Amino acid sequence: DSGVTQTPKHLITATGQRVTLRCSPRSGDLSVYWYQQSLDQGLQFLIQYYNGEERAKGNILERFSAQQFPDLHSELNLSSLELGDSALYFCASSPHLRQGDYPGGYTFGSGTRLTVV
Amino acid sequence: DAKTTQPPSMDCAEGRAANLPCNHSTISGNEYVYWYRQIHSQGPQYIIHGLKNNETNEMASLIITEDRKSSTLILPHATLRDTAVYYCIVRSTGTASKLTFGTGTRLQVTL
Repeated sequence: DSGVTQTPKHLITATGQRVTLRCSPRSGDLSVYWYQQSLDQGLQFLIQYYNGEERAKGNILERFSAQQFPDLHSELNLSSLELGDSALYFCASSPHLRQGDYPGGYTFGSGTRLTVV
Repeated sequence: DAKTTQPPSMDCAEGRAANLPCNHSTISGNEYVYWYRQIHSQGPQYIIHGLKNNETNEMASLIITEDRKSSTLILPHATLRDTAVYYCIVRSTGTASKLTFGTGTRLQVTL
């Protein structure tokens, strides 16, 4: 157990639907990162939140959104789902905002496997 | 962040040392070298990082060349459970902390 909790572990839904993925960071960590891993794209950074605020954005589609709540857990919302959104979605956490503040590694959760049918 | 180049795959016999190379010839002075691995479809796991000195922890050793243009991750006694994709990532100290993963090296440990 890495200390980063992601729920649900598996999710099967139909095209056009909306889902919410949840992440609880490791205790004490303020930064949360979301990554998408599909078969043909590898691990793609989506978005970072730090202490409730969006701080960095990657290749995140407009149909996707995220937020971090006061208790530091984060949710990734995926809407108008397409077949191509089927992927593993990982959440990671770290204590600080910037690399220079904390040179250590991120801690990743075990992921949510999303299947869109 | 500087780009890295890794061989797509490597094999290693169980019990032997696995030496995974990484080229990062455009690395700059404030960039760290990180190694992560991903076993099957699990979440990536942090292994080790370094700036310019060699580093060792309970999982592995990291050897960085003096010019910092390349590095080697060493798993001293590979086991079947070390079969995974290993990612070498270069990341600067001054920017937001996102990690950018490349394609990595698929290490297959065999009996």
